Amino acid sequence: DIQMTQSPSTLSASVGDRVTITCRASQSISSYLAWYQQKPGKAPRLLIYKASSLESGVPSRFSGSGSGTEFTLTISSLQPDDFATYYCQHYSSYSPMYTFGQGTKLEIK
Amino acid sequence: QVQLQESGPGLVKPSETLSLTCAVSGYSISSGNYWAWIRQPPGKGLEWIATIFHSGSTYFNPSLKSRVTISVDTSNNLLSLKVTSVTAADTAVYYCAAIVVHTLQFDSWGQGSLVTVSS
Repeated sequence: DIQMTQSPSTLSASVGDRVTITCRASQSISSYLAWYQQKPGKAPRLLIYKASSLESGVPSRFSGSGSGTEFTLTISSLQPDDFATYYCQHYSSYSPMYTFGQGTKLEIK
Repeated sequence: QVQLQESGPGLVKPSETLSLTCAVSGYSISSGNYWAWIRQPPGKGLEWIATIFHSGSTYFNPSLKSRVTISVDTSNNLLSLKVTSVTAADTAVYYCAAIVVHTLQFDSWGQGSLVTVSS
């Protein structure tokens, strides 16, 4: 089974900061990687799919990169609304099966 | 816009069967798309449980496969989940979600239903 590991688990940052969250796969997953944002008490929201494709309606300050085993989610200039927990997710290219990372909580410094 | 609403008992006894229903509106299940269940234990991360295609093809998390049933009722536009032999480890918020075929991603989610396993 493919394991997804995010780092850091918690990240403290200030409004306006540029932040990067890393997700590593236990084996190559090509570009089959998505990123979700979740706020307390709410369902997750898709931000990025296929490693770097921005979901419609998601602000352009969010970007994703990587392929193979290492991926990053970057927020170019943190906004107050961005403080949340972020999850990476591997998905199969040929069937709708999924593995989530353990999450990264982005906190206000 | 697809809307989803989970419903079911909030409390289930250990060793019993957890049953949840997801009412889908704004889209006919029989028209296509994949449909999924995801859960989140309190204070923990997300875990995908299972996916079903409108035609009935199913996909399961290997760690849960032996205890999970997922089904669709196209007549009533409902998605269902059953988890047998539950333990405290099955306590979680359970979400149903619609998967967009071209991205294979969860596009629309229910609000979540907390199920507690306790005697």
